[in-house]
Amino acid sequence: DADVTQTPRNRITKTGKRIMLECSQTKGHDRMYWYRQDPGLGLRLIYYSFDVKDINKGEISDGYSVSRQAQAKFSLSLESAIPNQTALYFCATTQGWNTEAFFGQGTRLTVV
Amino acid sequence: QQQVKQSPQSLIVQKGGIPIINCAYENTAFDYFPWYQQFPGKGPALLIAIRPDVSEKKEGRFTISFNKSAKQFSLHIMDSQPGDSATYFCAASDPYGSARQLTFGSGTQLTVLP
Repeated sequence: DADVTQTPRNRITKTGKRIMLECSQTKGHDRMYWYRQDPGLGLRLIYYSFDVKDINKGEISDGYSVSRQAQAKFSLSLESAIPNQTALYFCATTQGWNTEAFFGQGTRLTVV
Repeated sequence: QQQVKQSPQSLIVQKGGIPIINCAYENTAFDYFPWYQQFPGKGPALLIAIRPDVSEKKEGRFTISFNKSAKQFSLHIMDSQPGDSATYFCAASDPYGSARQLTFGSGTQLTVLP
């Protein structure tokens, strides 16, 4: 089983719909992240969490919200999806600073 | 504002060639510079990383060269193989920034022809 699991892997949704992307990890790491990948833009940080009680906005948090339900679970929500949120979304975990980040396999989201 | 600029956007080499991917940064507080490799349908995975107290690091066929004064670092892949075809991301981390998280470059899609 993967250390970082994202569900769903693919999703097509309509403009204005609420959608949740889920991430769970079995590595026991304290830090979890949500990134968005767009062609030519690399990976941009949406939100990050250092522990269950600590949530922080990243570079591009507008239009997104998150929930850290447990140390192992970190969900990303789009309250009202719009087409320019069509992208590949990745969840990642680390343990401490300047250490290896472990990524999930990604969720390809299409907003029509 | 892109704090880590990566080039080229795409690169095609023949098997056995030495592709070089370059990254430049502005923030002198960056103190950790990893490279991630991403295959289609997969998440990025750490390939190799360097800290600014050394100028070069090798792991197998992969080498990072680091030039602190020029604020540049690069990835060299020796004897490249078709299996190296992937997207490569450079990144940097600032321990004093508000996020103290990895800032990624825009990525380089490498194709190694058989």
